Amino acid sequence: NAGVTQTPKFRVLKTGQSMTLLCAQDMNHEYMYWYRQDPGMGLRLIHYSVGEGTTAKGEVPDGYNVSRLKKQNFLLGLESAAPSQTSVYFCASTQSGQAKTQYFGPGTRLLVL
Amino acid sequence: AQRVTQPEKLLSVFKGAPVELKCNYSYSGSPELFWYVQYSRQRLQLLLRHISRESIKGFTADLNKGETSFHLKKPFAQEEDSAMYYCALLTGGGNKLTFGTGTQLKVEL
Repeated sequence: NAGVTQTPKFRVLKTGQSMTLLCAQDMNHEYMYWYRQDPGMGLRLIHYSVGEGTTAKGEVPDGYNVSRLKKQNFLLGLESAAPSQTSVYFCASTQSGQAKTQYFGPGTRLLVL
Repeated sequence: AQRVTQPEKLLSVFKGAPVELKCNYSYSGSPELFWYVQYSRQRLQLLLRHISRESIKGFTADLNKGETSFHLKKPFAQEEDSAMYYCALLTGGGNKLTFGTGTQLKVEL
């Protein structure tokens, strides 16, 4: 039981490049989330999903897209990376009806040059 | 507006001293609050939630609706308590959490 996993662990991009971050969970959770963590800003919600095939915007959605084609996976895409997207990205999941105890992944460190 | 405020970016205490990490919230409904912790090189994890009224690793937190606060307390700090602590408020109809900016606790010997 791996819990929540994230791929890749670290990535360097040039401005304008695109990439996809993958989040996978094996706990059969309904809800999944993408956050970014920046010094002094805490954790900010980018997008989230309350079920397969559904997504919703969070606090800072601009410049990101997401997809939840399978219940266990939640993808975060950057179509044209910008230096302002340099951050640590965390994925989390929780069972429906218990959107409180969120289980987090180990994080993806992204550097955009 | 829904907001969580953690006024201290860094809190430094000596081992054995009492710890209080401050958290204030703004929420129009009945609040449900949590403390999450991130130890060095580990993933974020739930520490405690106010509805459970539990004590985890010696930490407690009481919801004070009059002061709109949910401060985290421990009577005697230990070195292993050094970590980043986040206060969080359940929002979005119960679908998501709004986090504060976090407080880095450093326990010195």
